[in-house]
Amino acid sequence: AQKVTQAQTEISVVEKEDVTLDCVYETRDTTYYLFWYKQPPSGELVFLIRRNSFDEQNEISGRYSWNFQKSTSSFNFTITASQVVDSAVYFCALTPSNDYKLSFGAGTTVTVRA
Amino acid sequence: DAGVTQSPTHLIKTRGQQVTLRCSPKSGHDTVSWYQQALGQGPQFIFQYYEEEERQRGNFPDRFSGHQFPNYSSELNVNALLLGDSALYLCASSLVGARLGDFGPGTRLTVT
Repeated sequence: AQKVTQAQTEISVVEKEDVTLDCVYETRDTTYYLFWYKQPPSGELVFLIRRNSFDEQNEISGRYSWNFQKSTSSFNFTITASQVVDSAVYFCALTPSNDYKLSFGAGTTVTVRA
Repeated sequence: DAGVTQSPTHLIKTRGQQVTLRCSPKSGHDTVSWYQQALGQGPQFIFQYYEEEERQRGNFPDRFSGHQFPNYSSELNVNALLLGDSALYLCASSLVGARLGDFGPGTRLTVT
């Protein structure tokens, strides 16, 4: 069984501050995929990033960056120079490579104040 | 190119009733997955359909059933509604075997 834990329930920052979202996961599978999704008030889940378990290279994509550490089962996500439009609920998710269902964390609500 | 669409947007039902939710996948996609998202929680996988058959199922009772049509659209049926079935129901479509899908806007179901 898979488990995804997002310990932070809510984060509030002032515009232009950086925001880091924590994600810790549990899985017995040796190969798996990790995701971050954003859910704005409209409700639709928007894909942000995906990582394979065998690729621990951390990257930056625009204002988004992520830190994947297999040794600690963590997949943290950072928004640099936050903007009001970044206000949303952010979900970390996991799926094994031989499975099709996504297991989501409980989400972290990010509020960016102007 | 339309993305994933779901209908209706909102609906209100009474305990014990039955409900049908609909999903049209993104053009070119052949696989549909359904998720239930209770208020304040992350989405929970209900099941996935491919080639008109249920390919995988999450931990949901038999009251939850589905169907996929030849045009790849899908329905989610919930019988004998309970108050706890109140949630946002999300549909996601993808190509078979893909790890990444597109989510629809969801259907907000309220059971009173």
